[in-house]
Amino acid sequence: KAGVTQTPRYLIKTRGQQVTLSCSPISGHRSVSWYQQTPGQGLQFLFEYFSETQRNKGNFPGRFSGRQFSNSRSEMNVSTLELGDSALYLCASSPLAGQYEQYFGPGTRLTVT
Amino acid sequence: GENVEQHPSTLSVQEGDSAVIKCTYSDSASNYFPWYKQELGKGPQLIIDIRSNVGEKKDQRIAVTLNKTAKHFSLHITETQPEDSAVYFCAASGRPGYGNKLVFGAGTILRVKS
Repeated sequence: KAGVTQTPRYLIKTRGQQVTLSCSPISGHRSVSWYQQTPGQGLQFLFEYFSETQRNKGNFPGRFSGRQFSNSRSEMNVSTLELGDSALYLCASSPLAGQYEQYFGPGTRLTVT
Repeated sequence: GENVEQHPSTLSVQEGDSAVIKCTYSDSASNYFPWYKQELGKGPQLIIDIRSNVGEKKDQRIAVTLNKTAKHFSLHITETQPEDSAVYFCAASGRPGYGNKLVFGAGTILRVKS
């Protein structure tokens, strides 16, 4: 089975712009979660989607949003980018909602200048 | 909310020695505890996990133990090899209503010297 894929892998944006990141989960998986990884804050939960519904949201400002499509693919969007948004954004896929194994993709490295 | 503390932050061992990484969690409702290995330029890789109804789980050279009373769990790697060098993260999950949300420890950099 193919693993979790994320596109693009690298992205450079300017402060104030917006960005959309994409995640395709493992085939058959219906839950997608997003995490932000930075050297200072570590791995932090952004949000989780299951069956096109946001089930849980982390402590991030409203500039961070996401959605899930009927084929379980997910996108996250960050509007009005700030320098502090520079991070590795990781997507994790799980078969179902609840305490199931989560498998991470390689991440999208976002640099905001 | 849940808080996970992980120790040590760095760990250097000689090839063939054992390595132990310890984590404590704060939310007694947590019932799922995975461990991830992250190599440079890659996403975290699930290496082993344990649920609250199990005290210990082993997979070849890797084992995890859980003490629910003390709210701590540990990763044990035996016969370490250079390819075990990476950053290891523990995590906790399971409070009802929190879905798949994982709360991670800060990570441990493991260096295996050959």
